[in-house]
Amino acid sequence: DAKTTQPNSMESNEEEPVHLPCNHSTISGTDYIHWYRQLPSQGPEYVIHGLTSNVNNRMASLAIAEDRKSSTLILHRATLRDAAVYYCILSWKEGAQKLVFGQGTRLTINP
Amino acid sequence: DVKVTQSSRYLVKRTGEKVFLECVQDMDHENMFWYRQDPGLGLRLIYFSYDVKMKEKGDIPEGYSVSREKKERFSLILESASTNQTSMYLCASTLSGPNYGYTFGSGTRLTVV
Repeated sequence: DAKTTQPNSMESNEEEPVHLPCNHSTISGTDYIHWYRQLPSQGPEYVIHGLTSNVNNRMASLAIAEDRKSSTLILHRATLRDAAVYYCILSWKEGAQKLVFGQGTRLTINP
Repeated sequence: DVKVTQSSRYLVKRTGEKVFLECVQDMDHENMFWYRQDPGLGLRLIYFSYDVKMKEKGDIPEGYSVSREKKERFSLILESASTNQTSMYLCASTLSGPNYGYTFGSGTRLTVV
């Protein structure tokens, strides 16, 4: 399985942008980069995904490096409700389609 | 919005009991998954299914089985519950292909006593 590496924890302030990094140096050409987050006492929630180009949706933006060996999830204006564990995951195209979760980044938002 | 519904939020069962955890999704997704989540170990895949009556073992299938008789329903079965199966169990579903997000249920916290 292609692996991802994320910092264990990050901290930011409310209403400021947050950049959550993810390294995936062994990514294959057909792997999609997925981001999920898990709020306390809830199941994971889909945030965003992409293949090569940067992606935007109502929740966040995903910036993918040109060589695809790293990506950054961007929360443009963090709120207290964004405090969660964020997971960066590579989704296979060949073989079994399954999400393999790492430990993720625990994001703390200060008021 | 796609919904994945897990039948129970909390369950308490006795050691040796047969336990059924039910998961239903309402958006005609082909793929369904069962994970368990434990502190320090993260989410681990138990079983998944690509289609009705099809199943594949995940990373930790021992002590579990699954059933998928209908497309919308995926059941996780603990044949003889043990205390080390006390955990949070999460169900997920998605359409086929890597270009789709997964939808997770809210989870079932199972305690085996």
